[in-house]
Amino acid sequence: AQKVTQAQTEISVVEKEDVTLDCVYETRDTTYYLFWYKQPPSGELVFLIRRNSFDEQNEISGRYSWNFQKSTSSFNFTITASQVVDSAVYFCALSESTNDYKLSFGAGTTVTVRA
Amino acid sequence: DTEVTQTPKHLVMGMTNKKSLKCEQHMGHRAMYWYKQKAKKPPELMFVYSYEKLSINESVPSRFSPECPNSSLLNLHLHALQPEDSALYLCASSQVLAIPPGTQYFGPGTRLLVL
Repeated sequence: AQKVTQAQTEISVVEKEDVTLDCVYETRDTTYYLFWYKQPPSGELVFLIRRNSFDEQNEISGRYSWNFQKSTSSFNFTITASQVVDSAVYFCALSESTNDYKLSFGAGTTVTVRA
Repeated sequence: DTEVTQTPKHLVMGMTNKKSLKCEQHMGHRAMYWYKQKAKKPPELMFVYSYEKLSINESVPSRFSPECPNSSLLNLHLHALQPEDSALYLCASSQVLAIPPGTQYFGPGTRLLVL
């Protein structure tokens, strides 16, 4: 069964638009960890954020913000005022104790920002 | 410094060749990982080393042979590969493989083409 669902396969926006990437996860663990990674065309996965299940505070880092809601098992990611350099594939991932803390990745969302 | 380096960046090999991929980190991390990523798919875990010992093998065919000579280095030896093994091979490292799990930092990957 898919543990992490990223329902949006591709999103295309014009520069300066905001874009929100959805991530829904499934786990029976009470302690778990959620991550977002960015993969630009060069191929390297770049770590963006990590959240543990006890920390539901929303986070803002520059133009990036994350909304973690345990009640809906969602960990959504918003890019504000998108730029061409934001074009990449974005992966949401879940780490659970019952899975040896391995990363379960979602399918990824490809974001294309047009100038 | 969250840098993981991988060499080579690109590799083309025949099905009878033997080659090796190399990964290096100098962050003092004690867990290192190999992932395989096919185009438009998320990374798939292959192997995990913890304190230089093989901790997880995700039922990877024996034509892939990992090696961890020391805490900074991780190799992946390739022999008698098939064309379907063509993919991006990513290395990652994290502080430890324990509770709580360390954040995995990825290298730029090696793009492998098997002819």
